[in-house]
Amino acid sequence: LAKTTQPISMDSYEGQEVNITCSHNNIATNDYITWYQQFPSQGPRFIIQGYKTKVTNEVASLFIPADRKSSTLSLPRVSLSDTAVYYCLVGGRRGSTLGRLYFGRGTQLTVWP
Amino acid sequence: EAGVTQFPSHSVIEKGQTVTLRCDPISGHDNLYWYRRVMGKEIKFLLHFVKESKQDESGMPNNRFLAERTGGTYSTLKVQPAELEDSGVYFCASSQGIGPYTEAFFGQGTRLTVV
Repeated sequence: LAKTTQPISMDSYEGQEVNITCSHNNIATNDYITWYQQFPSQGPRFIIQGYKTKVTNEVASLFIPADRKSSTLSLPRVSLSDTAVYYCLVGGRRGSTLGRLYFGRGTQLTVWP
Repeated sequence: EAGVTQFPSHSVIEKGQTVTLRCDPISGHDNLYWYRRVMGKEIKFLLHFVKESKQDESGMPNNRFLAERTGGTYSTLKVQPAELEDSGVYFCASSQGIGPYTEAFFGQGTRLTVV
């Protein structure tokens, strides 16, 4: 799977929009981009997945430019409970069995009151 | 629907002892994975079962680790004998064979401390 690079940490205040950008220069044609969230003492949890352009669900939006070498996770109006580590992963071809996941260091997002 | 369940949540053992971790995947998920995070490091893949077969065990650190998934349901990960560097959090995850998203559902992890 392609290696990813993301900021180690980010800070925000409640109510703000947070954008976390991930670079994945070596992404393969069939790879999808997936973001996971992890709270302390819990396992990672799937947030959103996309292939190109924009994907939105009830939790977040994912923006992927045409060259797919980067992606941006957007969290609207964050709250204190959004404080967590966010991981960007690439791989996982839709329609096929999920293989191993490669977790980088992730981005520690801290939301302040 | 129950999620991925891991037992125990914490385990403290002495160096040289044996520990067995258990994972119950989401019902119907053929794929089961073990990952671990040792102190200060990234979450690392250990192995992947498809039903009862080992699909990929390239992440297993050494032969002190033995994973089984008899009957293709729950899985166990045994560490024998445990060493200090085995301390960390062991995560289990499961996924559908093929689904709308290729996502893995993770358990809460087992925190293993070897003293």
